Amino acid sequence: EADIYQTPRYLVIGTGKKITLECSQTMGHDKMYWYQQDPGMELHLIHYSYGVNSTEKGDLSSESTVSRIRTEHFPLTLESARPSHTSQYLCASSGGERSGGYTFGSGTRLTVV
Amino acid sequence: AQKITQTQPGMFVQEKEAVTLDCTYDTSDQSYGLFWYKQPSSGEMIFLIYQGSYDEQNATEGRYSLNFQKARKSANLVISASQLGDSAMYFCAMRSSGYSTLTFGKGTMLLVSP
Repeated sequence: EADIYQTPRYLVIGTGKKITLECSQTMGHDKMYWYQQDPGMELHLIHYSYGVNSTEKGDLSSESTVSRIRTEHFPLTLESARPSHTSQYLCASSGGERSGGYTFGSGTRLTVV
Repeated sequence: AQKITQTQPGMFVQEKEAVTLDCTYDTSDQSYGLFWYKQPSSGEMIFLIYQGSYDEQNATEGRYSLNFQKARKSANLVISASQLGDSAMYFCAMRSSGYSTLTFGKGTMLLVSP
């Protein structure tokens, strides 16, 4: 049973539309992350949060924005989708383990046409 | 700065054989952690194994073991007795002390044949 949930699983949307990718976790983890991954390629960190009202940009520049109003919820928003945003978006959280390893959601595969 | 290098874009192995996936890392930190994740074609990331830089023994988890050679800065994943379900992308990742974010390598595609 997944403890971190991403919706939608797949999304096809037209250029210029505003979209929000949802990510929620039930583990009470303080730290949450968004990674962007093109098919068969490496993961790039685009946003992370260390807790409520804390958000930081990652290594890869992204036109998306995030918010962290509640511990369990870390949505990602694209104000105006473009074909270059077509990718998989993976949400993760960490907090309880000694290792600091992540628990990942199932991902959202976004296609902008 | 942290860097993970996976030099094998693809690996092929026959069922029931062992396979080693290479990973080297670069960091100036003394305390760090190394991870391996599996990504099937469905896209989710599955945690496999973790090795801390101060752990004296190599990590093992079932059929997975991590060959950690600190002086060479390598953290190779060994999968024993490969199964068809092991076919997937495998990512090596690192977290340095003081940071919670993981840096990932480019991945290795493993194909297991009957």
